[in-house]
Amino acid sequence: DAKTTQPTSMDCAEGRAANLPCNHSTISGNEYVYWYRQIHSQGPQYIIHGLKNNETNEMASLIITEDRKSSTLILPHATLRDTAVYYCIVRPSNTGKLIFGQGTTLQVKP
Amino acid sequence: DVKVTQSSRYLVKRTGEKVFLECVQDMDHENMFWYRQDPGLGLRLIYFSYDVKMKEKGDIPEGYSVSREKKERFSLILESASTNQTSMYLCASSLRIRVGGMNTEAFFGQGTRLTVV
Repeated sequence: DAKTTQPTSMDCAEGRAANLPCNHSTISGNEYVYWYRQIHSQGPQYIIHGLKNNETNEMASLIITEDRKSSTLILPHATLRDTAVYYCIVRPSNTGKLIFGQGTTLQVKP
Repeated sequence: DVKVTQSSRYLVKRTGEKVFLECVQDMDHENMFWYRQDPGLGLRLIYFSYDVKMKEKGDIPEGYSVSREKKERFSLILESASTNQTSMYLCASSLRIRVGGMNTEAFFGQGTRLTVV
């Protein structure tokens, strides 16, 4: 299974865009990039996923590089409620197995 | 509203006891997962089931077993609880991956905080 590398922590000012990077240099052709977040004391929550095209939904945008070796999750206007641990996951399409890494702790500050 | 329900929010057990953690989902999902979460270690996959009676080991299966007799229920069993199994346990479920990238997001329960004394 492909592994991911994320910074341990990041800060972002409220109202600004939060850009969370993820490196997945060993990703293979049938693996999707998924992002989840976990707010303190809750179970993880799905944010977005993609294969090779950029994706956008009501929560965030996902930018995947052309070689698919890295991606960036963008929260366009971060709020205090976006303070959480963000997990970037590479998920094989044939098994659905979901392996979490260490994640990035995003602190949104007033 | 989709739901993954774990039988207990908090549990205290003695060393050596056999412990059952139950998880039920009402979404007709094929995949179910058990994770444990410890400070500084993130979520680690214990076992994964992709269908009734089917299971696959995750990264840390030692000391655990699972049972999936019905599609909606996935049980985690600690055969002989030990203090190093004190942790937060999270259950999740998802649809089986579909070709074409259809969203198969995983839904998580609220977790069971198990303390082994």
